[in-house]
Amino acid sequence: AQSVTQLDSQVPVFEEAPVELRCNYSSSVSVYLFWYVQYPNQGLQLLLKYLSGSTLVKGINGFEAEFNKSQTSFHLRKPSVHISDTAEYFCAVSERYNQGGKLIFGQGTELSVKP
Amino acid sequence: DTAVSQTPKYLVTQMGNDKSIKCEQNLGHDTMYWYKQDSKKFLKIMFSYNNKELIINETVPNRFSPKSPDKAHLNLHINSLELGDSAVYFCASQRENTEAFFGQGTRLTVV
Repeated sequence: AQSVTQLDSQVPVFEEAPVELRCNYSSSVSVYLFWYVQYPNQGLQLLLKYLSGSTLVKGINGFEAEFNKSQTSFHLRKPSVHISDTAEYFCAVSERYNQGGKLIFGQGTELSVKP
Repeated sequence: DTAVSQTPKYLVTQMGNDKSIKCEQNLGHDTMYWYKQDSKKFLKIMFSYNNKELIINETVPNRFSPKSPDKAHLNLHINSLELGDSAVYFCASQRENTEAFFGQGTRLTVV
């Protein structure tokens, strides 16, 4: 079974500052990794994904994440945040060879960008 | 065109009632899901269907019954609604083992 831990429930940061949202996972099998963003009263939108290949993954809105297999981490980073990045961020994993492909989510991190 | 659409967006109903949430995807995906997001924003899978067949049922009460008339639709029917069923329900679709695409959610409030 897989599990995902997002180490920070809330991250306040000032506009134009860098930010890192931390995600660790546990799994006995190979996984795919995802970061989703949820704006207030909206659905989930994919930010980026790691399926294979380069461990540094670039996504939308200037976000990137690095897959670290030895540390079982997939931390999300942005060098300079905007007010519009204020949202809930979810890290998720799915089992690589599972036909069901269900996502296991972390608890979410609320990013609050202040002017 | 919306890739995954679900209706209604908001649903307020009394305890004991029966209600349905509809979901449609126009992405041509074979797999569809229902996820539940609780008041603490925690997301958990409820059901997964692949080409109209139930693949995953994550110990959801029998009061919840998904129905997939074709691979583009996955509806969720809930009988005898309880206060604890209040949550946001998300439909999603997925092609093989790649990313899932989510609908906008249905906020269910049971009073």
